[in-house]
Amino acid sequence: GQNIDQPTEMTATEGAIVQINCTYQTSGFNGLFWYQQHAGEAPTFLSYNVLDGLEEKGRFSSFLSRSKGYSYLLLKELQMKDSASYLCAVSDSNYQLIWGAGTKLIIKP
Amino acid sequence: GAVVSQHPSWVICKSGTSVKIECRSLDFQATTMFWYRQFPKQSLMLMATSNEGSKATYEQGVEKDKFLINHASLTLSTLTVTSAHPEDSSFYICSARIDSYEQYFGPGTRLTVT
Repeated sequence: GQNIDQPTEMTATEGAIVQINCTYQTSGFNGLFWYQQHAGEAPTFLSYNVLDGLEEKGRFSSFLSRSKGYSYLLLKELQMKDSASYLCAVSDSNYQLIWGAGTKLIIKP
Repeated sequence: GAVVSQHPSWVICKSGTSVKIECRSLDFQATTMFWYRQFPKQSLMLMATSNEGSKATYEQGVEKDKFLINHASLTLSTLTVTSAHPEDSSFYICSARIDSYEQYFGPGTRLTVT
């Protein structure tokens, strides 16, 4: 079967760094996405990785290891507005997105 | 660019009535549109995939006669929840895809069935 695993909830301090991990097992792989979703809102795109390595975009970076079926989202210089759920999704062989359950990130002052 | 709108943003209806939700890609033509449902504190659940001019492909467990999807053009897809019941109350989100790459999400429609 297809499976995406990510922690249910994480807590971090404003100004700090947090890493949200995602492991996956899917039928085929055409890229991995990270989305941010604030409560009551639709997801917004953060990053896309299809090759191994680190993609940096401002305060957010995303890493992928296809051989390990592993990705992480790294958030630096955390701000209170970063409190949200972070969804990991993998595009499978049919280009269909398989979604993780999401990681709720709580930022404390 | 790549803006997707949904209408209405929220709706309250009585049990047994039908509700139609529209999803439009405003500045691009979407080859494929997706409909998701999300219950509180849960992740997105794909309901169906639709391509313009063809019948939607429903996920297992989703009743096609209850959730009617029409994808009349490359910029418009509609989801009709027929004979709605309180358990259909949820956050419905559409997304549109240009190619095989990224999905662009609409803002979502919150449906409450009383």
